[in-house]
Amino acid sequence: DTAVSQTPKYLVTQMGNDKSIKCEQNLGHDTMYWYKQDSKKFLKIMFSYNNKELIINETVPNRFSPKSPDKAHLNLHINSLELGDSAVYFCASSQEGRGWETQYFGPGTRLLVL
Amino acid sequence: GNSVTQMEGPVTLSEEAFLTINCTYTATGYPSLFWYVQYPGEGLQLLLKATKADDKGSNKGFEATYRKETTSFHLEKGSVQVSDSAVYFCALSEFTDKLIFGTGTRLQVFP
Repeated sequence: DTAVSQTPKYLVTQMGNDKSIKCEQNLGHDTMYWYKQDSKKFLKIMFSYNNKELIINETVPNRFSPKSPDKAHLNLHINSLELGDSAVYFCASSQEGRGWETQYFGPGTRLLVL
Repeated sequence: GNSVTQMEGPVTLSEEAFLTINCTYTATGYPSLFWYVQYPGEGLQLLLKATKADDKGSNKGFEATYRKETTSFHLEKGSVQVSDSAVYFCALSEFTDKLIFGTGTRLQVFP
């Protein structure tokens, strides 16, 4: 009964390709997030969605396009992959998207661009 | 802008030693403060949090007190175990749910 799940767990691909990462939460939360963790473990928010509406977009290149078909899913599509996109991508969710709430993280997707 | 500063790691301790990981923050108002932990190969999970000044968060023997006067939220544990080996992230959020993380501190505990 995984609360926040992501697929795939590992993704190895060539530069220039397009790929997608899927995220699903079964917690009934209204808000979902994408974070990027670089090789030095530094974590930075990329996007947040509340009830399928984009709330936070942290100056991420427009090659990254999040899509939320419903409030339980938030997918991340990446066009024209670059070497610098290699990282671990974490999906997370919270109840209503309020600052004091706990965010629940998925296990991460390890993306390697060759 | 808002920011979080954590002590550099790795922190290497023997089992049953006392742990302190320092965290200080910069914020314009009254943020909520968090400690998240990342075990090897896993995602982050909340360890503890505090939402107002002088609050103490605690969980699994870990504690941190929200000190507004020193803008700090140091993590402590009286007796660490090998199973506590992980990366610990201090984080804040203010006004919105945007979490701002510190750089993380790796803790290694040896038997």
